[in-house]
Amino acid sequence: DADVTQTPRNRITKTGKRIMLECSQTKGHDRMYWYRQDPGLGLQLIYYSFDVKDINKGEISDGYSVSRQAQAKFSLSLESAIPNQTALYFCATGTPSGTATNTGELFFGEGSRLTVL
Amino acid sequence: SQQGEEDPQALSIQEGENATMNCSYKTSINNLQWYRQNSGRGLVHLILIRSNEREKHSGRLRVTLDTSKKSSSLLITASRAADTASYFCATKTGANNLFFGTGTRLTVIP
Repeated sequence: DADVTQTPRNRITKTGKRIMLECSQTKGHDRMYWYRQDPGLGLQLIYYSFDVKDINKGEISDGYSVSRQAQAKFSLSLESAIPNQTALYFCATGTPSGTATNTGELFFGEGSRLTVL
Repeated sequence: SQQGEEDPQALSIQEGENATMNCSYKTSINNLQWYRQNSGRGLVHLILIRSNEREKHSGRLRVTLDTSKKSSSLLITASRAADTASYFCATKTGANNLFFGTGTRLTVIP
């Protein structure tokens, strides 16, 4: 089984609909992230969470919200989807950096491809 | 933006040749990481180099870091068709977040 699992893997929806993307992990990491990938633009950070009570906005949080339901679960919501939110969304987990064993490496899920018509 | 920029955007080589990708960034970093992404899949961590290191090796991968120029390079030696993928550099700053570049798409022709 994958360490970082995203559902759904593919979703087509219509403008104005509410969408939730879910992420669960078995790595035991405290830190979880949501990234968005558009062709030619690399990955952009949407939200991140360093523990259950800690939620932070990333570079492009407008139009998105998140919920950290448990250490292992971090969901991303689009309250009212619009076509320019069509993208590939990635969840990732990680550990704090700064020690010999914790380098800040991220572990990614396989992605959720969202199409908003 | 702290986002890095990879160069070239696309690279096509013959199997057995070496592939070199470059990354430039804007701000001071704690470490720089390289990731690989097969088409439409999740990113996979390849190698990390800390800000106080200049060169690091892992198998057929060699990474260099020049903090004075704010740049890094990834060399893949003796490339294989299976190396075909997109490669991203990512910089970790004091904010403990990773900022990704736009990637280099590598095609290795058998």
